[in-house]
Amino acid sequence: NAGVTQTPKFRVLKTGQSMTLLCAQDMNHEYMYWYRQDPGMGLRLIHYSVGEGTTAKGEVPDGYNVSRLKKQNFLLGLESAAPSQTSVYFCASSPGLAGFLTYEQYFGPGTRLTVT
Amino acid sequence: LAKTTQPVSMDSYEGQEVNITCSHNNIATNDYITWYQQFPSQGPRFIIQGYKTKVTNEVASLFIPADRKSSTLSLPRVSLSDTAVYYCLVGEPNTNAGKSTFGDGTTLTVKP
Repeated sequence: NAGVTQTPKFRVLKTGQSMTLLCAQDMNHEYMYWYRQDPGMGLRLIHYSVGEGTTAKGEVPDGYNVSRLKKQNFLLGLESAAPSQTSVYFCASSPGLAGFLTYEQYFGPGTRLTVT
Repeated sequence: LAKTTQPVSMDSYEGQEVNITCSHNNIATNDYITWYQQFPSQGPRFIIQGYKTKVTNEVASLFIPADRKSSTLSLPRVSLSDTAVYYCLVGEPNTNAGKSTFGDGTTLTVKP
């Protein structure tokens, strides 16, 4: 199993450009998450999903949109990138209710995004 | 969501036991306590989770007092490879999609 994979690993955007980050998991997990991590700080939740076709806002959703059309994929979109969105983006998944009382989130390797 | 407070940084030496304490005064009845480890340029990795008393696995122990307002992650005999950021999270696993706040974590530096 590959676990959680993220595409791309690195990206440089100009202000105003758009892009989509792809997260894929092969563990049949119900829950998926997008976080951002700024230098020297912890992770902040952007959006999350509790199942195919559902999404919800996290702590810092402004400027981002997400979609979960397939259970194994969770896409994060930036419609008009801003320098403040320069960060490392992590995707994670967890079993959800199917995992009983486990709260283990499995993280991808991250996408380093720079907006100039 | 319960707020957590951890020391910003800690230093230790190889072979020592390290205890990192997390304060979570407003923990809710159904909340669990979870610890993650993060190395530079990597995503966090699950270490241990518990609800009360003591939990032990192959890499760490988690001590939770009866009032559950704090918890202590114990790493036995640390090595240089344990240098990382450690995050304490408090949340309910199966509601709100298990959402929790990561906070800024504790940077552990293990010296030779």
